[in-house]
Amino acid sequence: EIVLTQSPATLSVSPGERATLSCRASQNVGTSLAWFQEKPGQAPRLLISGASTRATGISTRFSGSGSGTQFTLTISSLKSDDFAVYHCHQYYDWPLWTFGQGTKVEV
Amino acid sequence: EMQLVQSGTEVKRPGESLRISCNTSGYIFDEYWINWVRQMPGKGLEWMGIIYPGDSDARYSPAFRGQVTFSVDKSLSAAYLQWSSLKASDTAMYFCARVPTPRDTFDLWGQGTPVIVSS
Repeated sequence: EIVLTQSPATLSVSPGERATLSCRASQNVGTSLAWFQEKPGQAPRLLISGASTRATGISTRFSGSGSGTQFTLTISSLKSDDFAVYHCHQYYDWPLWTFGQGTKVEV
Repeated sequence: EMQLVQSGTEVKRPGESLRISCNTSGYIFDEYWINWVRQMPGKGLEWMGIIYPGDSDARYSPAFRGQVTFSVDKSLSAAYLQWSSLKASDTAMYFCARVPTPRDTFDLWGQGTPVIVSS
């Protein structure tokens, strides 16, 4: 199974600052890597697929990069609505999909 | 509007059976695979497996194979996650989520069903 390791576990930032989240895969996943945002009581929301393609309706403040085993989600100029937990997900290894353990972005 | 709407909170005793539902609307049911994802309290997301509504072809993550069963009812455009004998360790939030194909990621999620198993 491909293990995804997200870092840091918690990221403390102030509104207006940039947040950089990392997701490292134990094996090559190409660009089959997605990022999701999760808020309490809500369904997770797809932000990025294919490592760098924003989903429909997602702000340009969210950007994804990387390929192979190292991936980054960058949130530029954080807004209060962005404070949430972010998960990465690999869909390269079918049918053994896995998630990272999540990064909490807090004030 | 495309939606996945899940059934409500369940409180059960160990050993009891349970089936939770994921009711879909706003799209053609057969055109998307339905996945189930577990989130235990304070933990990350775990992919449980996937089912194709067209022919009920189901694949289970090794950690969940033999522990749960996926099914669908095409007439109701609904997917189900079932346990025959719950354990306290099944206490978690369960999400359904769809993918267009097994080469894609989840583009729409349900709101989650909390399952509490306690004696």
